[in-house]
Amino acid sequence: QQPVQSPQAVILREGEDAVINCSSSKALYSVHWYRQKHGEAPVFLMILLKGGEQKGHDKISASFNEKKQQSSLYLTASQLSYSGTYFCGTEGVTSGTYKYIFGTGTRLKVLA
Amino acid sequence: DTAVSQTPKYLVTQMGNDKSIKCEQNLGHDTMYWYKQDSKKFLKIMFSYNNKELIINETVPNRFSPKSPDKAHLNLHINSLELGDSAVYFCASRISLSETQYFGPGTRLLVL
Repeated sequence: QQPVQSPQAVILREGEDAVINCSSSKALYSVHWYRQKHGEAPVFLMILLKGGEQKGHDKISASFNEKKQQSSLYLTASQLSYSGTYFCGTEGVTSGTYKYIFGTGTRLKVLA
Repeated sequence: DTAVSQTPKYLVTQMGNDKSIKCEQNLGHDTMYWYKQDSKKFLKIMFSYNNKELIINETVPNRFSPKSPDKAHLNLHINSLELGDSAVYFCASRISLSETQYFGPGTRLLVL
């Protein structure tokens, strides 16, 4: 039931790009993306509400394919500050019950 | 000013004890949450309150009881603590469903 993220972990050099995927087995009506640094709380990055919607700010963007129940987070020209664990948070209704479920997480490390 | 605050930040206690974690938000949000993050870093929602009313109650032991004295506070009381309760507990709030969630700094609970 927990959305699956891929890859589980990725190591980049500064300036390289990365894509993190989030795939759910349930119908979704929104996806949220968070970054969590070690020992800190998750920090919200962005929310995607519609199928096929794409959002972004600075060098981080995301897309949401409602029909495929998938979302992707795009990190371009990565910076050292991008290091951390990325989580997707998915919202949907299962058997008439609202559910908010976090994905399995993707650990990202950016090296100088 | 801290948007979402939790106390205590660290909690070390013996098995069988009862403890409480407090959460306060000064953002004027209607919805508050409790999450548990285990040693494998999986984030799982436990409870959600909207305007002091319980709207999400995931499958957690009934030793865990949330209490919302007002819209700005959501406390978590845990009875008869067990070793498996050791985790980081995050409080979060947001103005409404499908909006940004703001997380508190977390409470690191260690049961000995």
